[in-house]
Amino acid sequence: GAVVSQHPSWVICKSGTSVKIECRSLDFQATTMFWYRQFPKQSLMLMATSNEGSKATYEQGVEKDKFLINHASLTLSTLTVTSAHPEDSSFYICSAADRGSYNEQFFGPGTRLTVL
Amino acid sequence: AQSVAQPEDQVNVAEGNPLTVKCTYSVSGNPYLFWYVQYPNRGLQFLLKYITGDNLVKGSYGFEAEFNKSQTSFHLKKPSALVSDSALYFCAVRDKEPKSTFGDGTTLTVKP
Repeated sequence: GAVVSQHPSWVICKSGTSVKIECRSLDFQATTMFWYRQFPKQSLMLMATSNEGSKATYEQGVEKDKFLINHASLTLSTLTVTSAHPEDSSFYICSAADRGSYNEQFFGPGTRLTVL
Repeated sequence: AQSVAQPEDQVNVAEGNPLTVKCTYSVSGNPYLFWYVQYPNRGLQFLLKYITGDNLVKGSYGFEAEFNKSQTSFHLKKPSALVSDSALYFCAVRDKEPKSTFGDGTTLTVKP
């Protein structure tokens, strides 16, 4: 099946710094990628939908200036958490939709962000 | 609008017994239905999907699910549970557009 990678798998940073998370589709082109946030033992909360070459569409309540999303190519989307604070600590998961497979979503392994 | 309900936060079964994790959905248009499993601190792993065709779908690790259009359900089943099946399970639905809606998740615990 299709593979989606995320980097880094975990990151610890100081409050006030910015952190970039990469999401790559390794063997297919993804015109659409999604970024989710997950709190412990909870469901995935969709943060934004990222379309290649255009601005991301953010879900209600998600600060677009804090969570910067860039989808520069058909295989790469990045999420930058700007001026991170402890409340931004979470598990961030990306997924990529494969147009060649009924737009099926393939998920990355997730990134654990801890802000001290 | 589309939605998914997983009515049980927790399902407990004994090893070797059959298991069922329930899911009902609402979507305009034809539903695309998915089940995923998540282990602690890991991403989602795909188990199975229904797009079209046979209502009974077989997936990974011996899991299967039955699409029931009249009851708008897509329950996950396995004939004989293993301790290693203990995990968090998510049902998801979408239409032809790629944006999926996820249920709140069901924690499955299989006891020896």
